[in-house]
Amino acid sequence: AQTVTQSQPEMSVQEAETVTLSCTYDTSESNYYLFWYKQPPSRQMILVIRQEAYKQQNATENRFSVNFQKAAKSFSLKISDSQLGDTAMYFCAFITHGNQFYFGTGTSLTVIP
Amino acid sequence: KAGVTQTPRYLIKTRGQQVTLSCSPISGHRSVSWYQQTPGQGLQFLFEYFSETQRNKGNFPGRFSGRQFSNSRSEMNVSTLELGDSALYLCASSLIEGNYGYTFGSGTRLTVV
Repeated sequence: AQTVTQSQPEMSVQEAETVTLSCTYDTSESNYYLFWYKQPPSRQMILVIRQEAYKQQNATENRFSVNFQKAAKSFSLKISDSQLGDTAMYFCAFITHGNQFYFGTGTSLTVIP
Repeated sequence: KAGVTQTPRYLIKTRGQQVTLSCSPISGHRSVSWYQQTPGQGLQFLFEYFSETQRNKGNFPGRFSGRQFSNSRSEMNVSTLELGDSALYLCASSLIEGNYGYTFGSGTRLTVV
């Protein structure tokens, strides 16, 4: 089965602090891509960061970085220097050759001023 | 460049009616996917089209159908609407394969009464 588990339904962080969102997944595929998407109240899903499963080096994108542990099938997102605009629902997802995303249930992140 | 455009933004329909939602992908993108987002089921894959061909379909009843035109614009249709079809319907487009990360639209909020 192809599943994504986000065990933290809600999280909060003080502005300028660092927060880590957890994600584990399960797939029998050997070639896949992992993503974190952000969905603010505007509803649009915005790509935060992506990681190719065959790459060992963790992806980074400005204040966003991931900790990818392939053997453990873990893909956590670290947000540094949190900003008010980071308040949103965050979804972990992966995609395989079938071009179908498998999404987690999301983590609602609130940045507190 | 223009993003993924979904119309209409909001829609209210009565049980038993049918509805057509539209998605215009980013210029040059040939792959279009549809997802249903509900509080209870999260994000679920409906179908994916590439160059007017449906390449993959999720586990939804036959009342849900879609198509893609030669200009890559896509429509999805839901017939005989049920209350449970109330959801946010998201469309996403990608240049070639989803591995590069899809760009999502802001969705159509469908309410069935």
